[in-house]
Amino acid sequence: SQTIHQWPATLVQPVGSPLSLECTVEGTSNPNLYWYRQAAGRGLQLLFYSVGIGQISSEVPQNLSASRPQDRQFILSSKKLLLSDSGFYLCAWTGAGTEAFFGQGTRLTVV
Amino acid sequence: AQSVSQHNHHVILSEAASLELGCNYSYGGTVNLFWYVQYPGQHLQLLLKYFSGDPLVKGIKGFEAEFIKSKFSFNLRKPSVQWSDTAEYFCAVNAGGGADGLTFGKGTHLIIQP
Repeated sequence: SQTIHQWPATLVQPVGSPLSLECTVEGTSNPNLYWYRQAAGRGLQLLFYSVGIGQISSEVPQNLSASRPQDRQFILSSKKLLLSDSGFYLCAWTGAGTEAFFGQGTRLTVV
Repeated sequence: AQSVSQHNHHVILSEAASLELGCNYSYGGTVNLFWYVQYPGQHLQLLLKYFSGDPLVKGIKGFEAEFIKSKFSFNLRKPSVQWSDTAEYFCAVNAGGGADGLTFGKGTHLIIQP
C-alpha cells in the first residue's frame, strides 16, 4: 500500500535561517506531488505541485521554493525564512484520477 | 480558476442532531469533488468523493454528499452526529481531473456537544 512520509513534525527556526522540509512517497510510481500550507480559518493553500522529476509549478509567489530530485521525493525550501512563513505545511500525492493523500504535516514556527 | 466556498466556518450541534455542511464551487467544466476531515491532532483524510455517476455518494462513518450540478453544490450530510464527529471539514474540487491539485474551501469547524 502507498504511504507518505513528511518530516519533521515540528520545527522552530529563527528569522533569516534556511528551511528544508522533506516528503517521500512509497508504494507508487510517478505520483503528482503537492505542497500546501494550512492556516486557521483559511483552508489549504496550494503552494507548489510537480508532475515529474524536476518539474515544479508554483501557484503563489512567495519566499519558498520546491524541488523534486527523485520520483517520490518532494522538498520545500527557503533560503531565508520570514516571520510570515510560519504555518502548517502539508505534503500530498495523487495518482492518475485519484484523490489526494496527505502527510502528517509540519508545524513551522519562525521566531 | 476554480474556487470553493463553504458557508459555515463554525457549527455547534448536539449529539443525534442532523448535519448539513454547505459547499459551492465555481467552475464551468467537469469537476471531481471531495470532502476531507481532520480530527484533532490527526492528518487530513478522505470522507468521500464524487467523480461521476450517481450524484449521491456515501462515505465513511455514515456521511453522504449530493452533487447538484445545476447549483454547483456538493453538500455534506449526516442524519445523526456523534461526539466523535468533532473535527474540521474541508470541501475540495479538482477541475477536470487535472494534475494541478485540489482547491480547498476554508473549512468548517464542527463541534458536537454530548
